[in-house]
Amino acid sequence: KAGVTQTPRYLIKTRGQQVTLSCSPISGHRSVSWYQQTPGQGLQFLFEYFSETQRNKGNFPGRFSGRQFSNSRSEMNVSTLELGDSALYLCASSPRALEGDPYEQYFGPGTRLTVT
Amino acid sequence: AQSVTQLGSHVSVSEGALVLLRCNYSSSVPPYLFWYVQYPNQGLQLLLKYTSAATLVKGINGFEAEFKKSETSFHLTKPSAHMSDAAEYFCAVSRTTTSGTYKYIFGTGTRLKVLA
Repeated sequence: KAGVTQTPRYLIKTRGQQVTLSCSPISGHRSVSWYQQTPGQGLQFLFEYFSETQRNKGNFPGRFSGRQFSNSRSEMNVSTLELGDSALYLCASSPRALEGDPYEQYFGPGTRLTVT
Repeated sequence: AQSVTQLGSHVSVSEGALVLLRCNYSSSVPPYLFWYVQYPNQGLQLLLKYTSAATLVKGINGFEAEFKKSETSFHLTKPSAHMSDAAEYFCAVSRTTTSGTYKYIFGTGTRLKVLA
């Protein structure tokens, strides 16, 4: 099976702009999660989508949003970019179906976002 | 609140020496535990997972981890380090919260350096 793919791999944006990142999960996986990784804060959970519905959400401002399509592909959007949004954004898919499943996650290579 | 603590943000070992990366969790009930590895410019890759079936868990690339409830620990070991093991390692815990949501929490990571 093909792994999780993320596009684009690298992105440079200016403060105030918005950005959309894309993630294609492993075939058959319906759960997609997004994480922000920075040297200072480590890995922080953004949100999880399952069957086009947001199932969990981390502690990020409303500028961060996401969605999932019927084919399980997911996008995340960051509006009004700030310098502090510079990070590696990781997408992970999982085969888990039920809340509480001891699921492992399969990560994509990430999108490196630089805000100038 | 549930959390996971990784002791030592940087660990150096000689090639051929024992690798020991420490992870402690805080939870009143044993959670599900995971170890992931991240190579430079890549996403995270699952090394192994504990889901209460066996306390000694074997993973890929010769790694294993032992769940010790009395010590609330899930340390990662490898008998003989290889240069290719140089990477960042993350311990993670997942558990359903009292509010019914599902949390997947990563530790801050340990960067392993292997010396020739």
